[in-house]
Parts: sequence; structure tokens; C-alpha cells
Amino acid sequence: DTAVSQTPKYLVTQMGNDKSIKCEQNLGHDTMYWYKQDSKKFLKIMFSYNNKELIINETVPNRFSPKSPDKAHLNLHINSLELGDSAVYFCASSQEGLDTDTQYFGPGTRLTVL
Amino acid sequence: RKEVEQDPGPFNVPEGATVAFNCTYSNSASQSFFWYRQDCRKEPKLLMSVYSSGNEDGRFTAQLNRASQYISLLIRDSKLSDSATYLCVVGGGSYIPTFGRGTSLIVHP
Repeated sequence: DTAVSQTPKYLVTQMGNDKSIKCEQNLGHDTMYWYKQDSKKFLKIMFSYNNKELIINETVPNRFSPKSPDKAHLNLHINSLELGDSAVYFCASSQEGLDTDTQYFGPGTRLTVL
Repeated sequence: RKEVEQDPGPFNVPEGATVAFNCTYSNSASQSFFWYRQDCRKEPKLLMSVYSSGNEDGRFTAQLNRASQYISLLIRDSKLSDSATYLCVVGGGSYIPTFGRGTSLIVHP
């Protein structure tokens, strides 16, 4: 059983397109996150959702929007894709959402914008 | 100054060697500290939490130095399978964990 799953694993698309990445966790955790890992391997947090409420929203463009239909899912929608959006996007979850919690990561979605 | 800093390496060591990584943090109010491991093209996974008194898990030892604001990870008797990137994570009691850039370790035969 996969604790945190993401789809798709790979996503190749053209500039200007709109795409979504899905994430699901079956750990019963209260908080889910989206991270971006760029080509320099730097992992940066983008969003955090706790019980369907956005807790933090780092300085990401508003082309990126998280959508949480329920506690177990946090999807990432990206509008008007740009070359600089190419990266690996990781979904994660934690028990309560504090930075004292262990983060459980999904396998990642490798996005390539052409 | 960056919030969490790590030497990116790579650290290239032979099997059986002992290797140590440091990670410095800028927020003196930080309360939680972790080491995560990330294999190539894989997701990060928790390696160990770092406690004030230090903690050991088999060949791995983590230490915290609050006065100098750094944490360390010591790996003894390195194995080929230890080759990975080791990420330092620091929390300040909020909802925003901060990841370091990671230190790359290559263990060769």
C-alpha cells in the first residue's frame, strides 16, 4: 500500500498549457503539502493544507493553485505553464502540520515544459 | 544568510570510512531538527530526528549544538548503499519546515 501517491509520474507539456497533478494520502494525516525541487535539487515548500484550509502560501505565482476536495487529497493546478516551472513536484503529508512532524513524501512528478 | 545551509559536497569516501556532515541554521528559535535521505530520482525519507541530547541509530549519530546553531550527522562504517543526498530540516515551531539544499555522499568500493 502506497502511503502518499501522485499522478502522473512524468508530465511533458508545452508552454502556455494548463495542467494538474493529483495527490492522495492514506495515512489519515491532517496536513498535506506541495514542494518544488528545481534542477539544483533545492526543495522548497509551496503550499500547506490543514483540514481543507490553506495554512501557508509561499511566494509562488498565482498560476499555481492547490485544490483539496477532502482531507486525503491535495491536487495542484498550474495555469499558463512557463519554462521555469520545469521541476520535480513532491506532495507530502504529516500528522498535524507542525514542522515538528515527520513529513511523508510521494514519489514525485517530473514536469518538463517545452 | 540562508536559513539552513549545508555543504553540497559531493563527499566521496571509500567503503568502511567514517564521514560527517554539518548543517547550520540561522533561526535561534528553531525547535525541531531532522535528517532526511534522498536517493537519486526518489523522494526524501526521514532518516532520523535530532534530539538535544543527541541520538544514535546503528551506524548513524546525530548531534545538535544550539550554541553554535548547527546539527551534525555522523555515518560510521560507510556502505555503498549509503550513497545518497542527506537533507537537513529545521523547524521553528510553526507550519513551515525549512529544508537545506542537501549534501551528496558517494561511497565507492
